[in-house]
Amino acid sequence: DAGITQSPRHKVTETGTPVTLRCHQTENHRYMYWYRQDPGHGLRLIHYSYGVKDTDKGEVSDGYSVSRSKTEDFLLTLESATSSQTSVYFCAISESNRGNTEAFFGQGTRLTVV
Amino acid sequence: EDQVTQSPEALRLQEGESSSLNCSYTVSGLRGLFWYRQDPGKGPEFLFTLYSAGEEKEKERLKATLTKKESFLHITAPKPEDSATYLCAVQDQGGKLIFGQGTELSVKP
Repeated sequence: DAGITQSPRHKVTETGTPVTLRCHQTENHRYMYWYRQDPGHGLRLIHYSYGVKDTDKGEVSDGYSVSRSKTEDFLLTLESATSSQTSVYFCAISESNRGNTEAFFGQGTRLTVV
Repeated sequence: EDQVTQSPEALRLQEGESSSLNCSYTVSGLRGLFWYRQDPGKGPEFLFTLYSAGEEKEKERLKATLTKKESFLHITAPKPEDSATYLCAVQDQGGKLIFGQGTELSVKP
């Protein structure tokens, strides 16, 4: 299995509180991604990173921010959690944008906002 | 804008009944098309990468093909253990990786 770890694996938080999810990799892959997965919507891209301090928005970035201060860590922050952000969050890593490698996924973080 | 559409949304097969899943895509410069398998409660598991039209790849009962507008995942003589959600994704020039909604496959004995 690819060396990718998400933490926490489960979290319950209250509406309006900030939440940070962490993705840690030991593969030295250049690209890192954050997705959310909801029934009927598949995997939707929130933000992605193509290098340290280099990030870009995905399809559903509103209400989320990210940071990547070193190659191995990609943090996803919900500035003020809302019930609509209850979801399963997946992190993925990929080596290059040349299309010659697959993306590996973490096991997911189940977030519940009450 | 990059877009991936998978069909059907759900597919029920009898064991041994071959079929195909479709993935239609539009992307500004295709770097790769990926197929994944996802079991309930788990992260997606990589199956194939296809890079150019005409390319084909096989793995056990699965075969993936690619044209300029779509990809097919052919399942030959499926078994119950092939039941899962199959996801298609495209990666563009900038590294962005976009997924379709998936096809939920159920294979009954």
